[in-house]
Amino acid sequence: DAGVIQSPRHEVTEMGQEVTLRCKPISGHDYLFWYRQTMMRGLELLIYFNNNVPIDDSGMPEDRFSAKMPNASFSTLKIQPSEPRDSAVYFCASSLFSGRDEQYFGPGTRLTVT
Amino acid sequence: GQNIDQPTEMTATEGAIVQINCTYQTSGFNGLFWYQQHAGEAPTFLSYNVLDGLEEKGRFSSFLSRSKGYSYLLLKELQMKDSASYLCAVRLYNNNDMRFGAGTRLTVKP
Repeated sequence: DAGVIQSPRHEVTEMGQEVTLRCKPISGHDYLFWYRQTMMRGLELLIYFNNNVPIDDSGMPEDRFSAKMPNASFSTLKIQPSEPRDSAVYFCASSLFSGRDEQYFGPGTRLTVT
Repeated sequence: GQNIDQPTEMTATEGAIVQINCTYQTSGFNGLFWYQQHAGEAPTFLSYNVLDGLEEKGRFSSFLSRSKGYSYLLLKELQMKDSASYLCAVRLYNNNDMRFGAGTRLTVKP
């Protein structure tokens, strides 16, 4: 398996623009997570899905952020409108759950909002 | 809120042993994970503890005390490539919702 795939790897955009981050989880994994990592706040859970259904979105910063998982092999995280404080690395991770299964992280998308 | 605390930075010498501590106060507990993250890369899984005691995996070991809300990661025979951040994460409930500590940046010096 190719692992968790994220695109784009780098995104530079201007304040006010819409940004869409994409993720393809490992085939067969039934959990998908979106994280944001910054130097100040570390790795923060934004939202996670189980079998394509959002379970907990309490970590989503505000209404400008939205996430969807239309099928088992694809998820998006959208920021509209983007702001400079959204600059961070966004990771997608997927996992099974059967006790000790860990999360597998994608390579991340480095977002810079100017 | 969930509190997971780790030292911010540590330094150790190549070939030595280092212990990275993690304390947690969370609304639930269903396992503790350690991840390694090299600069500019994604976190990768190192170890998992759900019962009290020591889990050994090559040069890395992880310990858990649930009554004390405490874990440590022990790295032996340190190598330069072990320079990285080490993240402690607690799985809260009977699902895979995990919360991460801020990480400990380990620098291994020759």
